[in-house]
Amino acid sequence: NAGVTQTPKFQVLKTGQSMTLQCAQDMNHNSMYWYRQDPGMGLRLIYYSASEGTTDKGEVPNGYNVSRLNKREFSLRLESAAPSQTSVYFCASSVSRAAYEQYFGPGTRLTVT
Amino acid sequence: RKEVEQDPGPFNVPEGATVAFNCTYSNSASQSFFWYRQDCRKEPKLLMSVYSSGNEDGRFTAQLNRASQYISLLIRDSKLSDSATYLCVVSGNFNKFYFGSGTKLNVKP
Repeated sequence: NAGVTQTPKFQVLKTGQSMTLQCAQDMNHNSMYWYRQDPGMGLRLIYYSASEGTTDKGEVPNGYNVSRLNKREFSLRLESAAPSQTSVYFCASSVSRAAYEQYFGPGTRLTVT
Repeated sequence: RKEVEQDPGPFNVPEGATVAFNCTYSNSASQSFFWYRQDCRKEPKLLMSVYSSGNEDGRFTAQLNRASQYISLLIRDSKLSDSATYLCVVSGNFNKFYFGSGTKLNVKP
C-alpha cells in the first residue's frame, strides 16, 4: 500500500517548457488536490477534484491545468513554465471533500530557470 | 491579510521542556481546525484535529478559542523527535482549507 505517489521527484525546466506532474493514490479516495509550497507562504491550493470527473480551481490556478484521469490519478500540467512556478508541489488525497484528513505525496521539487 | 498566520519561529527548546504555539485565523466562519507536522523536505502529515472542547493526544494538547480566533498546540515533555515544522490548517468557505506557513521547532539535547 503505497499511499500517494508522485513523479518526478525533481525537475528542472527552462522558461516556456511544458511538463506534467503525475499523482496516484491507492487508498480508493474520492478527492484529490494539488498544492504548491513556497518559503514563508504555506501550502496554497492550485486545483482540486472533489470526485472522479470533476475539477475546480483553488487559490492559485493561473498557469496550470489538471486532469482527473480516473479515480486513482490526478495530473497537473504546466503549459509554459515561468520562473514564478519554481516551487515544491504536493499532491494529496482524502476520502471525500468533507473528510478532513488529507494524505500527501512526497512532493516534486521544480525549478524553472 | 493572510487567512492563517503563525509565528515562524524557530522555537529552540531543551528536551523535556513544554512549548506552545498559537495560530490566528481571519475568517470567523471557519469550522474546522487542524495541526499538521512537516519534517524537513518531507510531506505534511496530520498531527491532530482541534475540536471546540479541546483535545489531547498523549503529550500534545490542542485548544480552540473562537472569540479571539486562534488555535494553540501545547507539547509537553519535548522529545528530540518532535523537531519539525508545525502547520496550522483552517477551513474556509466552500470547504477550502488554508495552511499557515508553519512554526519551526528545534528540540535540543
